[in-house]
Amino acid sequence: AQTVTQSQPEMSVQEAETVTLSCTYDTSENNYYLFWYKQPPSRQMILVIRQEAYKQQNATENRFSVNFQKAAKSFSLKISDSQLGDTAMYFCAFMKLNNQGGKLIFGQGTELSVKP
Amino acid sequence: EPEVTQTPSHQVTQMGQEVILRCVPISNHLYFYWYRQILGQKVEFLVSFYNNEISEKSEIFDDQFSVERPDGSNFTLKIRSTKLEDSAMYFCASSSPSGQFSNQPQHFGDGTRLSIL
Repeated sequence: AQTVTQSQPEMSVQEAETVTLSCTYDTSENNYYLFWYKQPPSRQMILVIRQEAYKQQNATENRFSVNFQKAAKSFSLKISDSQLGDTAMYFCAFMKLNNQGGKLIFGQGTELSVKP
Repeated sequence: EPEVTQTPSHQVTQMGQEVILRCVPISNHLYFYWYRQILGQKVEFLVSFYNNEISEKSEIFDDQFSVERPDGSNFTLKIRSTKLEDSAMYFCASSSPSGQFSNQPQHFGDGTRLSIL
């Protein structure tokens, strides 16, 4: 069974600084997706970024980028130029590929506080 | 941008009562999901639904739970006899296929907060 581990329950960063959130996962699959979702205090689940395992290039989305290390099964999220609106719970998630959709397996989350 | 919508936003129900949570997925999506998040905990998969049948379910999704797509737009989660431990935020999500063994990211609704008294 796949597992996702986020070892940092809480982190804080000064506004405009850079912060990296860690995520490791365990799987025997070769083809899968990895995601970072953001959950602000309103508790919506908002997709931040995704990475296909077969792509070697790290995904980027504006201020958000990932460091995907497939051999190490590591998938960290870097937030550059942190903004107050980035304050949220961040969940790392794994999904294996299949032709009937695929369930997301979430980590425990990292609560990020951006301080002015 | 199209959204997944969920109703109601907050449901309060007496223990033992039946509750139906409703979701309208994004219109061209084919895969539908329910997840649960107990307060302060991680999001947990409940069930996935494709081609008018359950494609996968978790051990949480026992006989008290059922899902249905009664028409072309709604996707419902029913809990037959609610327990205190069913209190949680319930998220509906949907996604569309992208190739034979691939699909687009799941888009989540805003969730329904279920409180069992």
